[in-house]
Amino acid sequence: SQQGEEDPQALSIQEGENATMNCSYKTSINNLQWYRQNSGRGLVHLILIRSNEREKHSGRLRVTLDTSKKSSSLLITASRAADTASYFCATVLTGANSKLTFGKGITLSVRP
Amino acid sequence: GAVVSQHPSRVICKSGTSVKIECRSLDFQATTMFWYRQFPKKSLMLMATSNEGSKATYEQGVEKDKFLINHASLTLSTLTVTSAHPEDSSFYICSATPGYNEQFFGPGTRLTVL
Repeated sequence: SQQGEEDPQALSIQEGENATMNCSYKTSINNLQWYRQNSGRGLVHLILIRSNEREKHSGRLRVTLDTSKKSSSLLITASRAADTASYFCATVLTGANSKLTFGKGITLSVRP
Repeated sequence: GAVVSQHPSRVICKSGTSVKIECRSLDFQATTMFWYRQFPKKSLMLMATSNEGSKATYEQGVEKDKFLINHASLTLSTLTVTSAHPEDSSFYICSATPGYNEQFFGPGTRLTVL
C-alpha cells in the first residue's frame, strides 16, 4: 500500500494565493521529500526534510514535518501560474537505503 | 546540478517486440539507479533497484524476466521490456543517486505498444 497519502487530491487556487498540501505516512521514516512533476515530464526534487527536522524553507516553499502525527505539509506562497503541476511526497523509510515510496500526488492548478 | 538523461523519450512499438530504455547519470557516478512506472494521473510505482555490477532487486509483482535491468557501469542502467504488449504501455522513469538521500530523476520515456 502507499506509504504517503497526499491531501487534497486536487487543488485549484488563484495566482497570488498560498497553496497548502498535506502528506501523511504510516511508518517510521529517515526523511521525507517533496517532488514536482509537470504533465508528461520527469520529477523535480523540491525539498528534503529529515526526521529530526521540523521545518525547512526554500524560496517560496515551506515544508513542515510532524513525526508524532506522521504528517508533512508543503506550503507554496504567492503562487504563480507556472506552479501548476502535480506534487508528490515521498518517504525514505528507516533503513531503506534511499528507496523512495511515493504518495498518490496532488494536482495543483493556479489560475492566472 | 545533477542531471539524469533517458533515451528514448518516446517509443512506439508493435506487440511482441522488445524495447530498451537507457538511463544515464551525466555528471555524477550513480551507485544505485531506480526504475519506476507511472500510469496516467497516478503515482510512481517502484519496479526495481539497480546497483552497479550486481543483479537488480525487483519489487513484488514485477516480473524480472519481463523487465530486464542491466547496470553495467556507474553512469548507465538499461531497462528492456521484453515481448512488449499493450498493457506494458506506460511512462517509465529512472532515477539515480550518488549514494546519499537525494534521487535525481530522468525525464521519462513514454512507451506505447500497439
